[in-house]
Amino acid sequence: GESVGLHLPTLSVQEGDNSIINCAYSNSASDYFIWYKQESGKGPQFIIDIRSNMDKRQGQRVTVLLNKTVKHLSLQIAATQPGDSAVYFCAENPATGGFKTIFGAGTRLFVKA
Amino acid sequence: DTAVSQTPKYLVTQMGNDKSIKCEQNLGHDTMYWYKQDSKKFLKIMFSYNNKELIINETVPNRFSPKSPDKAHLNLHINSLELGDSAVYFCASSPRGARGANVLTFGAGSRLTVL
Repeated sequence: GESVGLHLPTLSVQEGDNSIINCAYSNSASDYFIWYKQESGKGPQFIIDIRSNMDKRQGQRVTVLLNKTVKHLSLQIAATQPGDSAVYFCAENPATGGFKTIFGAGTRLFVKA
Repeated sequence: DTAVSQTPKYLVTQMGNDKSIKCEQNLGHDTMYWYKQDSKKFLKIMFSYNNKELIINETVPNRFSPKSPDKAHLNLHINSLELGDSAVYFCASSPRGARGANVLTFGAGSRLTVL
C-alpha cells in the first residue's frame, strides 16, 4: 500500500552542524514531494518541495535530495540553529491522487546549544 | 492576519458528548482539509472539500461529519465522542495548483481530549 516512512524518529545535533533527515517512500507513482516543519503547538509549515523530474533542490539553508531509484528523500539543513528544533515530515502527492497528501511518520530534531 | 484559523484551540469533554470544531481560511484557496494527528505525531487525512464539494472521505467513522458552507469555511462535527477520538485535529487549505503540486497551509490545531 501507499506509505511514506522515516528512518530515524529522533535526531540530535549540535548547533552549527549540518542535519540530515531521511525519508523512504513506497509509491513509485508519486511525482511531487514536500517537507514540512512542525514546531511545538503549531501546525506543519511548508519548507521545500521537489518534483520527481528533479534530484536536488536548494532553498535557504535547506536542500532536498530525491533518489527515485531507491525511493528515498532527504532534507539537509545547513548550520543548524536552535530555531530548527521541530518535527519534520516528508509528504508525497501521488500523480493520480489529486489532492491527497500522504505524510510520513515524522522525525524530531533536537538542536543542542 | 491568520491565514487558516480554527476554533477552539483546546476542547476537553466527556465520552458520549457531541462537539464541533470550526475552520476558516482567508487565502482564497479552493480546497480545505481535516487531518487528525495522534499522540505519535502521525498525520492522517480525514476529509477534503473542493469548493464546497466533498472530494476525499477516508475511512472515518460516520460519527464524524464535515460541513462546508462555503469554500472559505470547513467545520467538523463529532457525535458520541469516544476516548480514541482524543487527538489534535488540523484544518488545512490549498490552492488550485498544477496536478500533484499540492502545498498545504495548516491551522494551529485543535486539541481534543475525551475523558
